[in-house]
Amino acid sequence: SQKIEQNSEALNIQEGKTATLTCNYTNYSPAYLQWYRQDPGRGPVFLLLIRENEKEKRKERLKVTFDTTLKQSLFHITASQPADSATYLCALDPPRGGRRALTFGSGTRLQVQP
Amino acid sequence: DTAVSQTPKYLVTQMGNDKSIKCEQNLGHDTMYWYKQDSKKFLKIMFSYNNKELIINETVPNRFSPKSPDKAHLNLHINSLELGDSAVYFCASSPAGANSPLHFGNGTRLTVT
Repeated sequence: SQKIEQNSEALNIQEGKTATLTCNYTNYSPAYLQWYRQDPGRGPVFLLLIRENEKEKRKERLKVTFDTTLKQSLFHITASQPADSATYLCALDPPRGGRRALTFGSGTRLQVQP
Repeated sequence: DTAVSQTPKYLVTQMGNDKSIKCEQNLGHDTMYWYKQDSKKFLKIMFSYNNKELIINETVPNRFSPKSPDKAHLNLHINSLELGDSAVYFCASSPAGANSPLHFGNGTRLTVT
């Protein structure tokens, strides 16, 4: 089965800096990868999807990269704000031909200090 | 106008009891899911339904029984609750399509004492 690793330690950065979160996976290479944001007491909220043939995807201050050779995705938030503080989860699609159910990492908590 | 709503938000009960969690989505999605988030924050798929048909049933004790009366509802019934069932349970839905994002409810925190 797919194993996903996200840094379990919280990432603390100063407001205005760029936050970079890492998602590493083993076993098969997914056709696409998704990133979600989760606030305390709330369900995850979808942010971005990147396909295996896309190196990079952007949405406003967010940028996601996908390196299938390294089996890694990086999630960047530029010009970070205290409101960006949350837990960020990466999720991978199942093996090709398998029944669909995203596999989630345990998330990395981001704390942006004012 | 909540997209995916689940009730109750908190559920505290004793071992051995039977309880249900309800989920409804008004997004018109074909697929609904139940995920379990444990204390280490891992979200694990439990069940998935597509148009009221069970399509995924992970290694979940048969004390857990999902029921989908229609494609907008997916309820979760748990029999003979155990301490290890304590977790946050999330309902989600998605439209058809292999890479469709999931829309989650805000979770039900189940505490078994």
